[in-house]
Amino acid sequence: DSGVTQTPKHLITATGQRVTLRCSPRSGDLSVYWYQQSLDQGLQFLIQYYNGEERAKGNILERFSAQQFPDLHSELNLSSLELGDSALYFCASSVFDEQFFGPGTRLTVL
Amino acid sequence: AQTVTQSQPEMSVQEAETVTLSCTYDTSENNYYLFWYKQPPSRQMILVIRQEAYKQQNATENRFSVNFQKAAKSFSLKISDSQLGDTAMYFCAFMIYGQNFVFGPGTRLSVLP
Repeated sequence: DSGVTQTPKHLITATGQRVTLRCSPRSGDLSVYWYQQSLDQGLQFLIQYYNGEERAKGNILERFSAQQFPDLHSELNLSSLELGDSALYFCASSVFDEQFFGPGTRLTVL
Repeated sequence: AQTVTQSQPEMSVQEAETVTLSCTYDTSENNYYLFWYKQPPSRQMILVIRQEAYKQQNATENRFSVNFQKAAKSFSLKISDSQLGDTAMYFCAFMIYGQNFVFGPGTRLSVLP
């Protein structure tokens, strides 16, 4: 158990819908990262937050947005969902130079 | 931009044998960190081993060790006495302190009984 929690574990929705994925980092970790992993693919970095501020942005679509709240939990919002958005979404947290990954949220768009 | 390359999409090894997974990276920075992560069929990402670039000594964690060649920008992972539970995707990753991680495309390792 890495100490990073993600909810929900599974999410099934339809095209055009909007969903919110939630991540709680390890206690004391200020950084939160979001990754997308499509089937049999590597990890695509989406976005990083540090203590509530956006720190780095990767290949995140305009339909996707994220935020980190004062209690350091983070949410990833995905809107106007398309079939290609079906993937495993990971959250990771870190304090210095090591990332700890949550179990992921598996999103299926039908 | 930093990049990480894993040239072996798939590998297999017999149980109890030794296997080496390759990783090369590209950066102009001098201080950085390198990692190997394992992703078993459960899809959980698990840190296997890490190496600080300023350390010349290769990192070792039980049956896992690395061969870090800074000048060649190479960071290979050696798994000794392979076990069935080592079957997984292995990702090499690179990080400059304070910046985001960059992951390689992964190597799928199958340990055969």
